[in-house]
Amino acid sequence: DAGVIQSPRHEVTEMGQEVTLRCKPISGHNSLFWYRQTMMRGLELLIYFNNNVPIDDSGMPEDRFSAKMPNASFSTLKIQPSEPRDSAVYFCASTLSPTGGRGYTFGSGTRLTVV
Amino acid sequence: DQQVKQNSPSLSVQEGRISILNCDYTNSMFDYFLWYKKYPAEGPTFLISISSIKDKNEDGRFTVFLNKSAKHLSLHIVPSQPGDSAVYFCAELYNTDKLIFGTGTRLQVFP
Repeated sequence: DAGVIQSPRHEVTEMGQEVTLRCKPISGHNSLFWYRQTMMRGLELLIYFNNNVPIDDSGMPEDRFSAKMPNASFSTLKIQPSEPRDSAVYFCASTLSPTGGRGYTFGSGTRLTVV
Repeated sequence: DQQVKQNSPSLSVQEGRISILNCDYTNSMFDYFLWYKKYPAEGPTFLISISSIKDKNEDGRFTVFLNKSAKHLSLHIVPSQPGDSAVYFCAELYNTDKLIFGTGTRLQVFP
């Protein structure tokens, strides 16, 4: 099992540019989550999908952020336009719902730097 | 408002001794609490969990205690090893699939 795969590992972009982060969940998992980690706020849940349908996007900071899951094996998180305050590590995670005590499996993250 | 609080940002423990990491919560309607460990440049990895109907769960060197009246849980690591040095997050699972994380405690185990 390759685990949750995120790409790219690092992204440096200029303010105002569009950024797309990608995630491939574990095969067979039916729930996918996007988190953001910052020093100030720790790990924040941005949005999660169940069976490719967005269930809760209350953590998405503003309209510049959007996420899609066109099929069970792929999801994207897009920021347009990007701003320096979006700099953070973005994690994708997946699980077989209901999660229960086994929790999620996380990817290695994408470190985004907006200059 | 943070629902899950880890009030100690860091902890330093000598190898072989006990490490105790603490977590407080406000929401009583949870399903499980989970602990994750995170090394630099890696994603968090699941460590141990406890159901809302239990007060203790043990897995090898790791034990989690849940005190529902105090809305407090703790993770005990005995004996601590240098490889345990990492950031530890407690996380509350509710609404079936939603995990809310604390801010983390950095544990350093020194020889």
